[in-house]
Amino acid sequence: DGGITQSPKYLFRKEGQNVTLSCEQNLNHDAMYWYRQDPGQGLRLIYYSQIVNDFQKGDIAEGYSVSREKKESFPLTVTSAQKNPTAFYLCASSTSGQGARGYTFGSGTRLTVV
Amino acid sequence: EDQVTQSPEALRLQEGESSSLNCSYTVSGLRGLFWYRQDPGKGPEFLFTLYSAGEEKEKERLKATLTKKESFLHITAPKPEDSATYLCASHYGQNFVFGPGTRLSVLP
Repeated sequence: DGGITQSPKYLFRKEGQNVTLSCEQNLNHDAMYWYRQDPGQGLRLIYYSQIVNDFQKGDIAEGYSVSREKKESFPLTVTSAQKNPTAFYLCASSTSGQGARGYTFGSGTRLTVV
Repeated sequence: EDQVTQSPEALRLQEGESSSLNCSYTVSGLRGLFWYRQDPGKGPEFLFTLYSAGEEKEKERLKATLTKKESFLHITAPKPEDSATYLCASHYGQNFVFGPGTRLSVLP
């Protein structure tokens, strides 16, 4: 079955550490997205990519970095510059122009700072 | 500023007690209004897309409607398995604006 796979499901980060969250899709979607979800707030866009080797900052890109070397993969690195990284991170993908079903989401990664 | 709000923040219903969830948007140039269901610790799952005022979509016990400023998700005779957080999102330009969600609990 096609879908989006995020790993790991849970991740713990020490102060000053960089960590990378994985996102892989086999839907042949062109566009991929990273969102952050905090309690009581809507999903906030971190980065998005419409095509391979190109990506744009979202609303809250500071302290995060991404790459898009393959169509299927869009990893997110949470750097030590992100001061409040504890959150639920969601990766999503869509066809160009989002299509009638909007985004397909992964199952998320919960990141906790220890 | 483009934004989406949802009310109520949380809703507790008895099994069989029908109700509605509200999604208000101020996005200009709306290209679509999406509803998703999210279970705890999981990613959102697609429910409906609405494109124009007056449009309605139905799926089992759920019906979504759209006006020029709001969308409603009506839940008829809910069951405990309908318990989840329901998110709405407006599509404008190339991106989405998500609401904070309504957390629905249906008690047996």
